Amino acid sequence: AQSVTQLGSHVSVSEGALVLLRCNYSSSVPPYLFWYVQYPNQGLQLLLKYTSAATLVKGINGFEAEFKKSETSFHLTKPSAHMSDAAEYFCAVSTNSGGSNYKLTFGKGTLLTVNP
Amino acid sequence: GAGVSQSPSNKVTEKGKDVELRCDPISGHTALYWYRQSLGQGLEFLIYFQGNSAPDKSGLPSDRFSAERTGGSVSTLTIQRTQQEDSAVYLCASSLMLLVGDTQYFGPGTRLTVL
Repeated sequence: AQSVTQLGSHVSVSEGALVLLRCNYSSSVPPYLFWYVQYPNQGLQLLLKYTSAATLVKGINGFEAEFKKSETSFHLTKPSAHMSDAAEYFCAVSTNSGGSNYKLTFGKGTLLTVNP
Repeated sequence: GAGVSQSPSNKVTEKGKDVELRCDPISGHTALYWYRQSLGQGLEFLIYFQGNSAPDKSGLPSDRFSAERTGGSVSTLTIQRTQQEDSAVYLCASSLMLLVGDTQYFGPGTRLTVL
């Protein structure tokens, strides 16, 4: 079975500060990992994904994430927060294992607040 | 190009009524997925389609839930005899192919409120 843990349901940063959103996964087979962002009353938008190529993945809006197998982590970072980054962020995992291989299993989400 | 669309955007219904939620995937996408987002349970996978076929219905929360897809395109999620615990945002997604790791593109969701 696969699972995702996002540490911190709410993260608050100042504009211009580093953004770090934490994600740890559990999987018995190599995972595919995703970060999605959700703005209020909207659907989910893909920020970036890891599919076993480069361990450092760059996404949209200046975000990047690094896959660390030894730590089973896929933390999301951005060097300098903008007010427009305020949203909820979801980490998700998908694996090629038994059961519903194609589903995304999501973490509980992290609400990012950016203070002026 | 057009993204995934869902209708209605909001639905308020009375307990015990049936509801139908519609999803129009991105043109040419063969795989379609339904998820549910609620405060208590977070984002849960419900069902996926490859073409018109849904090989695994085990994610549906009860037999009051059913889904179909016709013509390899539009999908409908039906909830019979709605209960208050069915209140949630129902999200639809599509991907080009049914491949692990393929990007799933999400629609804006249907917010269902059961009174």
